Amino acid sequence: DAKTTQPNSMESNEEEPVHLPCNHSTISGTDYIHWYRQLPSQGPEYVIHGLTSNVNNRMASLAIAEDRKSSTLILHRATLRDAAVYYCIPTGANSKLTFGKGITLSVRP
Amino acid sequence: GAVVSQHPSRVICKSGTSVKIECRSLDFQATTMFWYRQFPKQSLMLMATSNEGSKATYEQGVEKDKFLINHASLTLSTLTVTSAHPEDSSFYICSALTGVGDGYTFGSGTRLTVV
Repeated sequence: DAKTTQPNSMESNEEEPVHLPCNHSTISGTDYIHWYRQLPSQGPEYVIHGLTSNVNNRMASLAIAEDRKSSTLILHRATLRDAAVYYCIPTGANSKLTFGKGITLSVRP
Repeated sequence: GAVVSQHPSRVICKSGTSVKIECRSLDFQATTMFWYRQFPKQSLMLMATSNEGSKATYEQGVEKDKFLINHASLTLSTLTVTSAHPEDSSFYICSALTGVGDGYTFGSGTRLTVV
């Protein structure tokens, strides 16, 4: 499994954009980059995933570096409901997800 | 979207008893499901991979005789914690591979407390 490095925590103001970084320098060429988030006492929730190109969906955008050794999850307008632990997980297609420590996002009203 | 239903959401049991946790895929067939355990303030730890119709694959250090996994149908996987002890108290979470481009869907988790 590729090793990931994320900051322990990040703070944001409500309604402002948030950029959550992740380094995954040992990612293999076929690994997808998944992002999940977990609210307290809940199961993780899928956010977005991509392989090489930047991806957008209704929740977020994923910017993947050209060398694929890092990626950034972008929440365009943070809300209080976005406060959670965000996990960046490189993994092969249909392979198990191995969770790291993640980054704890706090959102100030 | 794909939904995974996990039941019960919380359970308290006496030490030495067994507890069964169910994980159902509601609107899709899940040939592969995963079971995780999460202790307070820690990340999720994968316990085992469950494949329909075959034996589960356990991660290193997870006792297969203590954590029994059954995946007898394409929509149901169960985890039974046998002879539970207080150190088994944890948050147990299942997930399923949806195979529809969204990757993995997680259940809402089961809070197990062994007294």
